[in-house]
Amino acid sequence: QTQLVQSGAEVKRPGASVKVSCETSGYSFTFYGVNWVRQAPGQGLEWMGWISSHNGETNYAQKFQGRLTMTTDTPTKTVYMELRSLTSDDTAVYFCARSGRTAGTTRPFEFWGQGTQVTVAS
Amino acid sequence: SYVLTQPPSVSVAPGQTATITCGANDIGRKSVHWYQQKPGQAPVLVVYDDTDRPSGIPDRFSGSNSDNTATLTISRVEAGDEADYYCQVRDSGRGYVFGPGTEVTVL
Repeated sequence: QTQLVQSGAEVKRPGASVKVSCETSGYSFTFYGVNWVRQAPGQGLEWMGWISSHNGETNYAQKFQGRLTMTTDTPTKTVYMELRSLTSDDTAVYFCARSGRTAGTTRPFEFWGQGTQVTVAS
Repeated sequence: SYVLTQPPSVSVAPGQTATITCGANDIGRKSVHWYQQKPGQAPVLVVYDDTDRPSGIPDRFSGSNSDNTATLTISRVEAGDEADYYCQVRDSGRGYVFGPGTEVTVL
């Protein structure tokens, strides 16, 4: 069965970077793409960006341009999300979620990771 | 950017029908997906492409989409349906957008 398993909770200082992993299994990795979505405490869902597991193409939300990088590692079927220059506003639960593999995909997020808590505090 | 609007909260008695709207300009031309999220859990897809249900989702969940409003309807509401519900669309060229969410309370 399809599973997305994320790395554990992180605590970072302001200005630091965080890298969260999303290990996938149960499906053909290169047939899909992966999105990252975050949720600040008591807030709604915020889409951050998408990466194609097929060719590494990315599409980032404008808000995160310049400090967000998504990468894939096909042999391990793992997707990574790195966010730099962290502030307290980046404190949130970060989710990975599977969708389509092509740019412009409208596919829904049928499978989600369990979430990773990232806390930014001095 | 494309902005989705949802009512902050909806209250419904068990056995009754809950209606959650998602409003935006010409949303009827887009594919709308709906997610259910319970506290401390990842979201779960309950309706996709306006009207379709993933396997395992009860047929009490249904969707529609026309003109400027998409709607998620939960029939015969149960206590276990209490959750936050989010609509989602793809904003051409920009990426995905989520609505602000609607908290459904079962009285």
